[in-house]
Amino acid sequence: TQLLEQSPQFLSIQEGENLTVYCNSSSVFSSLQWYRQEPGEGPVLLVTVVTGGEVKKLKRLTFQFGDARKDSSLHITAAQPGDTGLYLCAGGDRGSTLGRLYFGRGTQLTVWP
Amino acid sequence: DVKVTQSSRYLVKRTGEKVFLECVQDMDHENMFWYRQDPGLGLRLIYFSYDVKMKEKGDIPEGYSVSREKKERFSLILESASTNQTSMYLCASSFQWNEQFFGPGTRLTVL
Repeated sequence: TQLLEQSPQFLSIQEGENLTVYCNSSSVFSSLQWYRQEPGEGPVLLVTVVTGGEVKKLKRLTFQFGDARKDSSLHITAAQPGDTGLYLCAGGDRGSTLGRLYFGRGTQLTVWP
Repeated sequence: DVKVTQSSRYLVKRTGEKVFLECVQDMDHENMFWYRQDPGLGLRLIYFSYDVKMKEKGDIPEGYSVSREKKERFSLILESASTNQTSMYLCASSFQWNEQFFGPGTRLTVL
């Protein structure tokens, strides 16, 4: 069962464009994490959001957690080739010490110079 | 610098062989995880462990087993490798529900 749906699956844009990646679920999560994975490496955490409606900014990246804590979005302003990679969202349950995350299938972003 | 290391970056095995994938973390994390990653299917959880000698099945445990004899080490075992187990295998560790730290992955090919 795929609890988190990411869209789009692929995104190919020119340098300088803006983009938004979506992560949706019918389940409520107490935390939502975004990771980026580059070829040949493991995913690396970008941000964790834990409050419904929360917005976090990381330079040109803006992350939002939906009010109902079922969805999230990642917006990149003025994309650069260095932003190329696989973006993964993952939902978790803060009430559990087991630490299991439920991952979406990812959005493969390619930014062309 | 925190680290999760995996025993091999690339591995080629034959059908029917027993395969061991090792993962070591130096962060004293309770939780450790094994995933496989296939194009279009994302990260799928095979097994995880929340303490020494404790293990829980993930979403796709069939054909795999795990061992956690020490807190820092979590091993994934393919008892009899099959071609459909050709994949990228990722190990991760975490403290409770916090950030998962991933190793670089092992790309396993079963011929």
